[in-house]
Amino acid sequence: GQNIDQPTEMTATEGAIVQINCTYQTSGFNGLFWYQQHAGEAPTFLSYNVLDGLEEKGRFSSFLSRSKGYSYLLLKELQMKDSASYLCAGPSEKGNTPLVFGKGTRLSVIA
Amino acid sequence: DVKVTQSSRYLVKRTGEKVFLECVQDMDHENMFWYRQDPGLGLRLIYFSYDVKMKEKGDIPEGYSVSREKKERFSLILESASTNQTSMYLCASLDRRQSYEQYFGPGTRLTVT
Repeated sequence: GQNIDQPTEMTATEGAIVQINCTYQTSGFNGLFWYQQHAGEAPTFLSYNVLDGLEEKGRFSSFLSRSKGYSYLLLKELQMKDSASYLCAGPSEKGNTPLVFGKGTRLSVIA
Repeated sequence: DVKVTQSSRYLVKRTGEKVFLECVQDMDHENMFWYRQDPGLGLRLIYFSYDVKMKEKGDIPEGYSVSREKKERFSLILESASTNQTSMYLCASLDRRQSYEQYFGPGTRLTVT
C-alpha cells in the first residue's frame, strides 16, 4: 500500500522560509494533498497537486515531482500563526478516495 | 460553505459501554470517512462510505462498526468501548464530482476509562 514519509518536527524563525518535504510511492498516483492542522482543531485543506511543478497560493506554495515521488510545501514570511502540523496525503490503492495520510510535520515558529 | 458537524467535542465513557459518534454534513456529499488520530501515529482510516447504506473497512476497523442510513449522516459505533479506543475521532466528507478536497468536522475527543 501507499507509504507517506515526512519529517516529524521542524522549527523555523518568524519571517523566514521553511520547506516541508514529503515522499510517497509513485505507482497508481492520482495527486498529492497538503493539509494544515492547528493543535486541537480539524485539518483544513491547503493544496492539491496533480501535475509536476510549483503551485503558489499567497505565502504558501506546493511542489510536486511525480517521477521522483516527491513533494514539498513552502511557507514564506513565516508568522507565529503558522505553527501547526502539516499533513501530506496521497492516494491509496483505490485512488483519491480514500487518501493515505502521513503522520504529519509539527512546525514551530519562534520569534 | 461546507459544514461537517460532530455530535460531541468531548466524551467520557466507561469500558464496555456502547458508544455512538455522529457526523452530519450539509453539502450532499457522497463520500464520508471516519478517522482516529493519535500522537505519533497520525490520521488512520477506520471506515468510509461511498453512498447511503454502503460502507468499506479502512485500515483499522476492528472494534468499530458504522451506519449510513441517510446521505448526510455517518455514524461510528464502538460496540464495547475499551481503553485503547481513547483517541480523537475525526469525521470527513467529500464530493468527487467537484474536487477531492476533504472537509473535516471539529473532532470528538473520546476518553474510555
